[in-house]
Amino acid sequence: SYELTQPPSVSVSPGQTATITCSGDKLGDKYASWYQQKPGQSPVLVMYQDDKRPSGIPERFSGSNSGNTATLTISGSQAMDEADYYCQAWDSSVVFGGGTKVTVL
Amino acid sequence: QVQLQESGPGLVKPSQTLSLTCTVSGGSISNGSYYWSWIRQPAGKGLEWIGRIYISGSTNYNPSLKSRVTISIDTSKNQFSLELNSMTAADTAVYYCARTHYPFYYMDVWGKGTTVTVS
Repeated sequence: SYELTQPPSVSVSPGQTATITCSGDKLGDKYASWYQQKPGQSPVLVMYQDDKRPSGIPERFSGSNSGNTATLTISGSQAMDEADYYCQAWDSSVVFGGGTKVTVL
Repeated sequence: QVQLQESGPGLVKPSQTLSLTCTVSGGSISNGSYYWSWIRQPAGKGLEWIGRIYISGSTNYNPSLKSRVTISIDTSKNQFSLELNSMTAADTAVYYCARTHYPFYYMDVWGKGTTVTVS
């Protein structure tokens, strides 16, 4: 079965850039999506079709996908960006990565 | 805007069948631009996709759960439902329903989730 691998945690200082990676076999040939989940809340879509931001998602969020790696970048990280982030793709079924906890400190 | 709300029992006994319903408001479940999915999340763990249904009734399930899962749709009630049989403690989780974009499979609207405990 298809697997997506994310680093368990990423730390970033306020105002700096956070980079979250998601790795999978030939992931660049598929579309990647990203979700943000804060404690006690439902996931929120922050990126779809690799690099498209849903309405209401700040411009500091950007995405890319090439080769075996999709990347979610948060430029100018803010305290409100502290959350778990999950990547997701489709390979005969929906697959989620294991999640990355982003800490802003 | 479209909202989704899960409903069902919070407590299920081992070996029993879980039945959950997701009610869609603010839009039609018959919109052919979307699938309708179930996802779950055990406490402190990641997201696990359970399956999805399209307006045609076509379904697709997580291979690891396929033998125990049935998802159905009721357009007259603007609802879709999940049945998961042979429940065990490992099925204890928050269960979410979500609107899923066709054909790119991203989930753009989520319900608030409902906690299901198997005990």
